[in-house]
Order: sequence, then C-alpha cells, then structure tokens
Amino acid sequence: DTAVSQTPKYLVTQMGNDKSIKCEQNLGHDTMYWYKQDSKKFLKIMFSYNNKELIINETVPNRFSPKSPDKAHLNLHINSLELGDSAVYFCASSLSGGYYEQYFGPGTRLTVT
Amino acid sequence: LAKTTQPISMDSYEGQEVNITCSHNNIATNDYITWYQQFPSQGPRFIIQGYKTKVTNEVASLFIPADRKSSTLSLPRVSLSDTAVYYCLVVLPTGNQFYFGTGTSLTVIP
Repeated sequence: DTAVSQTPKYLVTQMGNDKSIKCEQNLGHDTMYWYKQDSKKFLKIMFSYNNKELIINETVPNRFSPKSPDKAHLNLHINSLELGDSAVYFCASSLSGGYYEQYFGPGTRLTVT
Repeated sequence: LAKTTQPISMDSYEGQEVNITCSHNNIATNDYITWYQQFPSQGPRFIIQGYKTKVTNEVASLFIPADRKSSTLSLPRVSLSDTAVYYCLVVLPTGNQFYFGTGTSLTVIP
C-alpha cells in the first residue's frame, strides 16, 4: 500500500487557471505538509498542518491555500496560476512534534504555460 | 530557523566510503540533525537522525561533534544506486518548520 499518495502526477495548465492537487496518507499521521521544489532542486516548505494548527510560510502567496477534509488528506488549491508556480509539489506527513521523520509522496509536476 | 550549508556536489567510486559534511552554526539546544535522500523524480526519503555523538543504522552513520555546529553523514561502500541528492536539515522541536538546504548531489562512478 502506498503510504503517501498524490494526484495528479502531472498537471499542465494555463496562466490564470485555478487548480488543486490532492494528497492522502494512510500512515495514521497527524501532521501533513506541502513542499515546493523548483528547477534548481531547492526544496521549500509551504505549509504544515495538523488538527490544531496551520503554519504558513510567510513567503507563500495567498493564492495558495491548503484544505484538509480530514486527518488523512491535505489538498493544495492554487488560484490564478502564474508561470513562476511551475515546479514539483510534494506532500508529506509525520507524527507531530518535529522530531519525527517525514514520509513524502511521489510529487506532482505542475507546468504553467 | 537554523540553516544548513553543504557541498553542492561530490563524486565517488563504487565501493568507497563517502562522507558528506553539513554546517549548521546556528543550531539550537533542542534541535535534531536529520538527513534525507532524494532520487530523481521521487520524494525525499529519511535516512538518519541524531542529536549528538554518533548514530548508526543499516544504511548510514551520522557523526556529530560536541559543539554540534556540523555533522557528517557517512555512507559505507557506496554503490551506483546511492547516486542521489542528500539533504541535511535541522529539525525544530516546535512549529513543524523544516528547512531543506540545497543538498549535496552525490554521483557514484563505476
């Protein structure tokens, strides 16, 4: 069974569109994350979220919003897509506390044209 | 937020031991040091984590000096399948904030 899954794997869309990426984990973790990896392979955290708290990286534009229907899912919604949003987006999960290892999904490659 | 500095790239021949050093001068008292491995087109994968001295698992060893301002990931007898990017990060105990640096791209040569 896949521990952390993401859909879609590839997403090609035009500027100005709104899109969502879905993430699901079956590990029983209580904290989930979204990361962005740019073309230079720099991996940057965007959000971390558990039942109690959403922590937003202050550099993330408010066009990005995480939505969690339940503990096992954390979707990423992006409004008004821009060319600079093109990247690979990774979802991850862990137990809360910060010391625990994170399990990453396979990534979603977003291309904005 | 403690940032890390690593060499951008390293090359090694198969069968050799590889040591990748990470600098984290601003590490806080309660921070842990964690290493991840990333293969192309995959998400990062946890390798090892430690607080001080030495930690060893079936994959790697992690050496941390007393001042904890640096750490060294040691991969014994690397193979071609160890070619990947290795990230060192300092884990904060609160806030779930994780900083992945630029990573070290390791290429294992036959």
